[in-house]
Order: sequence, then C-alpha cells, then structure tokens
Amino acid sequence: AQRVTQPEKLLSVFKGAPVELKCNYSYSGSPELFWYVQYSRQRLQLLLRHISRESIKGFTADLNKGETSFHLKKPFAQEEDSAMYYCALRGSGGYQKVTFGTGTKLQVIP
Amino acid sequence: DAGVTQSPTHLIKTRGQQVTLRCSPKSGHDTVSWYQQALGQGPQFIFQYYEEEERQRGNFPDRFSGHQFPNYSSELNVNALLLGDSALYLCASRNPGTGSVDEQFFGPGTRLTVL
Repeated sequence: AQRVTQPEKLLSVFKGAPVELKCNYSYSGSPELFWYVQYSRQRLQLLLRHISRESIKGFTADLNKGETSFHLKKPFAQEEDSAMYYCALRGSGGYQKVTFGTGTKLQVIP
Repeated sequence: DAGVTQSPTHLIKTRGQQVTLRCSPKSGHDTVSWYQQALGQGPQFIFQYYEEEERQRGNFPDRFSGHQFPNYSSELNVNALLLGDSALYLCASRNPGTGSVDEQFFGPGTRLTVL
C-alpha cells in the first residue's frame, strides 16, 4: 500500500522567513514524488517533481529515501506563496495511481 | 486549448439517485483519472482510463463506474448516492507517452452535494 503523510494542516510564516512543508511517504518500491499547489480559486497544478530536480518559484524538494521524506523548502517566503500544498506519490510502472496527502495550507504573513 | 474541462460545475442530488459527471481531457492527452476530494482532504484516486479501459482503481465501491470514449473524454457515474458522496470530483489528464513531460493536468472539478 502507498501512503503520503503531511503532518501539518496549517503553516504560518512571516514574509521573508524560510519555509519547510513536510511530507513523508510509505511505498515498497521506487516511487515518483510530486508537489502540487492550489492557489485561491485556481485549479490544482503541479509545482515540481523529484525526477526533475528543479527549482520552481524558488521552491525545491529533495527525495530522501532513507527517511522516506520529500519535504518542500523555500529560503524566503513571499506573500504570493500562500496556498494549499499537496504532496503526492505515484508508484513505479505503467498506469500507476497517484496518492495525495491531506495537504498543508501555507499562510505567509506580511 | 482550454485545458481539462468538466461539467457540470455544481450538482445537487438526493440520496439513492444516480449521477453522471463529464470530463474532456487536455488536447493531446489520452489518459484520464478521476479523484474525489472531500472537504479538508486531499484528492483520493477513484480510477484511471486509457484506451477506453479502466487501468487502475482505488478503494471505491462498484457504485462508482466510468467510461472513456474514443475521443478520450470520460464520464464518472455514481449509483445509489449516499450523503458521504458529497465532494468535489476532479478529473485529470496526462499523456504517459510523452517521456519526461508526464505532468497531470487537473480540471476545475464538479461540486456534488447529496441531500
């Protein structure tokens, strides 16, 4: 079974402060990990994926297989980062389902 | 390209009724997945369709069924509605054949309320 855990429902930080949104997963193979973001009144959209090893809007996430974690980080929070963030996992192989965490609401205080 | 579209936007039904939700994938996408998102929760995978067949299924009862048409559009049917079926239903499309560009695009969702 695959599972994604996001322990924080709400994370409030001040503008300019560092951000870390936690994500832990459970999967018995080699998963693909993603972060999705949903801004107010917008669709759920992909933010980044671990295989790309990219930085999007200043956010990065490193897959730590030893700790089974995929935390999302940004060194300096901006007000426009306020949104719902979902960590998601897709199993390896074709036609694999995507399992989402329960989400963390990031609130950046001006 | 309007991206993934879903209809209707909102729907109100009563317990025991049946409902059909519709989804048109993003242009060039051939794989459609459906998700149920209850209030305060993350999306939960219902099933995925590719080449008009159900390829993967989540932990949902047989009351939830689907269909994919030759033009890749899809329907989600729910029979014998329960109060607990009230949720936002999301459709997502992707094209696994595009190598590294394997991004899942979501529609705006259909808000189903069961009274």
